[in-house]
Amino acid sequence: QVQLVESGGGVVQPGRSLRLSCAASGFTFSSYAMHWVRQAPDKGLEWVALSSYDGSNKDYADSVKGRFTISRDKSKNTLYLQMNSLREEDTAVYYCARGRAGSSPGHYFDYWGQGTLVTVSS
Amino acid sequence: DIQMTQSPSSLSASEGDRVTITCRASQSISNWLAWYQQKPGKAPNLLIYKASSLKSGVSSRFSGSGSGTEFTLTISSLQPDDFATYYCQQYNSYSYTFGQGTKLEIK
Repeated sequence: QVQLVESGGGVVQPGRSLRLSCAASGFTFSSYAMHWVRQAPDKGLEWVALSSYDGSNKDYADSVKGRFTISRDKSKNTLYLQMNSLREEDTAVYYCARGRAGSSPGHYFDYWGQGTLVTVSS
Repeated sequence: DIQMTQSPSSLSASEGDRVTITCRASQSISNWLAWYQQKPGKAPNLLIYKASSLKSGVSSRFSGSGSGTEFTLTISSLQPDDFATYYCQQYNSYSYTFGQGTKLEIK
């Protein structure tokens, strides 16, 4: 069965960096786009970043553009989110989520990980 | 960016009731809309995609409809497990956006 397991969250000071990981199993990782979606405490869902199935196309929410970088390692079936210059407003649970297969346009998220909490605080 | 607005923001209903949640897009998104259910402390679960297609394994008590800018999620005959928060999400364009959520509570 499809499984996504995030790790790497924690407490970090403003301006510092953190890298999240998402280990995927149960499907052909290299065939699917992957995303990061976050949820601030007691708030709604916010899409953060997209990696196309082959990693050639990446896109970001305006709120993180220039600070966050999404990447993937097909040999490890793992998705990453490098978060630099963290701000207090980046505090959230970060979920990785599976998008569409191949180069299909438009993405909904059919499987989600359990999430990892990132707290940015001095 | 396309803005998604859900109504109501919260809803009280009883077991066995039929409820409808509305989601409006700030511009036409054709039928590129998904619905999710989220329970406290858990990740969202996909219920419906392409406005009306039910994800495999999801109860047929859930149904979706609409196109363009107005969409609905209907839950027929509420069960105890259905009390949760529901989100719509557009995927017509990049910068995928979600509605603010509708919290469905037990009356």
